Order: sequence, then C-alpha cells, then structure tokens
Amino acid sequence: QVQLEESGGGVVQPGRSLRLSCGASGFPFSAYAMNWVRQAPGKGLEWVTVISSDGSDNSYSDSVKGRFTISRDNSKSTLYLQMNSLRPDDTGVYYCARGGRGLRGHFDYWGQGTLVTVSS
Amino acid sequence: DIVLTQSPGTLSLSPGESATLSCRASQSVSSGYLAWYRQKPGQAPRLVMYGTSSRATGIPDRFSGSGSGTDFTLTISRLEPEDFAVYYCQQYGSSPPLTFGGGTKVEIK
Repeated sequence: QVQLEESGGGVVQPGRSLRLSCGASGFPFSAYAMNWVRQAPGKGLEWVTVISSDGSDNSYSDSVKGRFTISRDNSKSTLYLQMNSLRPDDTGVYYCARGGRGLRGHFDYWGQGTLVTVSS
Repeated sequence: DIVLTQSPGTLSLSPGESATLSCRASQSVSSGYLAWYRQKPGQAPRLVMYGTSSRATGIPDRFSGSGSGTDFTLTISRLEPEDFAVYYCQQYGSSPPLTFGGGTKVEIK
C-alpha cells in the first residue's frame, strides 16, 4: 500500500536551516508530482511547494519563495524540503502529499507529518 | 491566485442529519478541479472528493459533491461519528499555488 513518511522536523532557532525528508513506498515514485503542505498550530492547511515527477519543474508559495527548496531523488524514492532563513511563522506540521502526473493535481495520499518549531 | 472561501465556519449537527458545506472561489475553477479533504484532530488530511464529484477510494456514497465555476458543495447525508471533523476544499485547476479554503468544522450538536 502507499506509504509516505516524513522526518527531519525539530526545534530550530530563527534564521537557521532545516531539511525535511519524505520516504515513499508502495507506488512508482518517479511517476508522480509531490507536494509539501504545512499547518500552523490550530490553523488551516497551506500549500507550500510542488515538484514534477522527474524533478525538472517546481513551484512555491510566495511565503517561502527564495528560502525553501524542494528536491527529490527518484532512485531513493525520497522527497526533500530544504528550509533556510527560518522564521517563527514557519512553525507547524509539514506534510508531504502525492500529487498528480503534472504540477496540478489533487493530493490522494498524505504522510503523517513532521513538526517544525522555529523559536529562540 | 484563486482564493477559496468556505462556509459556514462551523456546523453543529446530530448524527443522522445531513451536512451541506460550501466552497466559493474568487474566480472560475478550471475543469471543475476542486477537491475536498477531511481532517480529524491529530491526524493527516484525507482525500474525500476530487474533480468536484468523484469520491476517493473508501469514501461511502453518503458523500456527494457538486458545483461548477465558482460555487461548489460537499454534502454528507446521514452523518456518522467518523464524519465529525474539519473539511477543506482545494482547487487545482490553475497553475500553482494550489490553494486551500479556510475549512469548515462539522461538530456534534
């Protein structure tokens, strides 16, 4: 069955960096776009970024553009999110989610999330 | 960017009743590419509906979706205990950002 498992969350000071990973199994990882979605404590869902199936294309929300970088290693079935210049408002649970065949698509499988806390 | 507005913010209903959730877009959602997700406390979201009216795997036929253009509806008939949660709509018809609505909480009355 399809499984997505995030890791790499933790407590980090403002201005520092963190890299999240999302390991995938149970489906042909290289055939699907992948997304990161976050949720601040007690708030709604916020789409963060998407990467195409082959890694050649991506898009970011305005709130993270220039600070976050999405990447993937299809040989390892792993998705990454490099987060630099972190701010307190980046705090929340980060989910990876499987998208469609292109950058646009609904998210049919989600990981359980990893908590990122940005605080001094 | 397309902004999605969900209403009401909270629905207080009893098991067995029906729920009608609304999602309004600031501009037309291309090809009806509108999805709904359910999120229970402490859990990841789960896809409920996609393409406006297609139920996701494992979702019972008590759930139905409708709408077009800028107005979309998720209807849940005969509410069961597992249906009480927060529901989010999302559009994926235009280029990213793939925006979410603010959510509707369906709570037990």
